[in-house]
Amino acid sequence: NAGVTQTPKFQVLKTGQSMTLQCAQDMNHEYMSWYRQDPGMGLRLIHYSVGAGITDQGEVPNGYNVSRSTTEDFPLRLLSAAPSQTSVYFCASSRPQGGELFFGEGSRLTVL
Amino acid sequence: LAKTTQPISMDSYEGQEVNITCSHNNIATNDYITWYQQFPSQGPRFIIQGYKTKVTNEVASLFIPADRKSSTLSLPRVSLSDTAVYYCLFNNAGNMLTFGGGTRLMVKP
Repeated sequence: NAGVTQTPKFQVLKTGQSMTLQCAQDMNHEYMSWYRQDPGMGLRLIHYSVGAGITDQGEVPNGYNVSRSTTEDFPLRLLSAAPSQTSVYFCASSRPQGGELFFGEGSRLTVL
Repeated sequence: LAKTTQPISMDSYEGQEVNITCSHNNIATNDYITWYQQFPSQGPRFIIQGYKTKVTNEVASLFIPADRKSSTLSLPRVSLSDTAVYYCLFNNAGNMLTFGGGTRLMVKP
């Protein structure tokens, strides 16, 4: 059982470039979310989704877009990368919203 | 947004019991309280969840008073491998699951 899979694990971008972080879960979970974690800090919620076709903003949504066309996938798009977006990004999912969150291994992004 | 408040860090020694308290004054009536553990370079991992009174599983206990404005995670007889960051979490504004700053626990030999 793969759980929550994130790709890529590492990525280096130049300022102004765009990219998509992929997240897929095979547990048929309704709720999915993206967090970022800066060094030595806690996790901050970027965007979340309570089901296919439904997305909403979290605490720090600026500079990021998401979509949820299927239950399994929840990609995070960086529109124009900035050095302030250098961080580790975690995707998470849960069956009921508020239930146990299952996290991916993280994607470490560096923006030069 | 409603916030949680936890101590930034705690130190303990192997074999001791560790209690970490989280304050959540604005918790809603139907919110559960959940605790997670995070090791360096890994995503958080679920430890325990509760609504009120006491919940116990194989790794921890969770104490929630009647007013539910705080909760205490209790780790019995900690070992070096329990060194990690511990977060309390609850629903925020209905759908947002937000983490606080967490408590960095250091277990010493």
